[in-house]
Amino acid sequence: GAGVSQTPSNKVTEKGKYVELRCDPISGHTALYWYRQSLGQGPEFLIYFQGTGAADDSGLPNDRFFAVRPEGSVSTLKIQRTERGDSAVYLCASSLVHGGNTEAFFGQGTRLTVV
Amino acid sequence: QQQVKQSPQSLIVQKGGISIINCAYENTAFDYFPWYQQFPGKGPALLIAIRPDVSEKKEGRFTISFNKSAKQFSLHIMDSQPGDSATYFCAVTRGGYQKVTFGTGTKLQVIP
Repeated sequence: GAGVSQTPSNKVTEKGKYVELRCDPISGHTALYWYRQSLGQGPEFLIYFQGTGAADDSGLPNDRFFAVRPEGSVSTLKIQRTERGDSAVYLCASSLVHGGNTEAFFGQGTRLTVV
Repeated sequence: QQQVKQSPQSLIVQKGGISIINCAYENTAFDYFPWYQQFPGKGPALLIAIRPDVSEKKEGRFTISFNKSAKQFSLHIMDSQPGDSATYFCAVTRGGYQKVTFGTGTKLQVIP
């Protein structure tokens, strides 16, 4: 596709359930980022991948959150035992290379609602 | 600790006017200062960015003014148009790294 694709666009889940959010980056982009945006706030960094490895996961709020990128392309953000406070828009971004202030392109996000 | 403070929270400007959004940061290690534009239901998109070695950068109707000593930077939108109505985020980062720290956002409304 032409841009970063995130699925699903909306996800409603019950408290305590497990969810997976998928990100398809722009083809050829080696760097991939996950951010979380709460209502009325700016996006907050969660994790960054360079290729298949998580280069920086310092933004993950706790061990209920985990992300993978097994083949260096598609990434999945996994949230266990969801809580109402996890409700937010989860944004994925990708960039061609890491560093050099290369532009990161964002997807339109997955809106997660935990009820 | 909020690493970047953005103001105002919301802004209403008449068509043709100048929109000004301000940001202040604390950490002098930051070396890249982008501005993002976000429309409802969309992800943020890079609008314009500046490095601290210049005091101003202009791209079309959008200008960043940068004051390194004051640790402040601002976005000016000249000849504001209704299509500019969106939420704008200032951001900071360092080392060419895309781990971006965003401000809290300014919701701009340009009225005809």
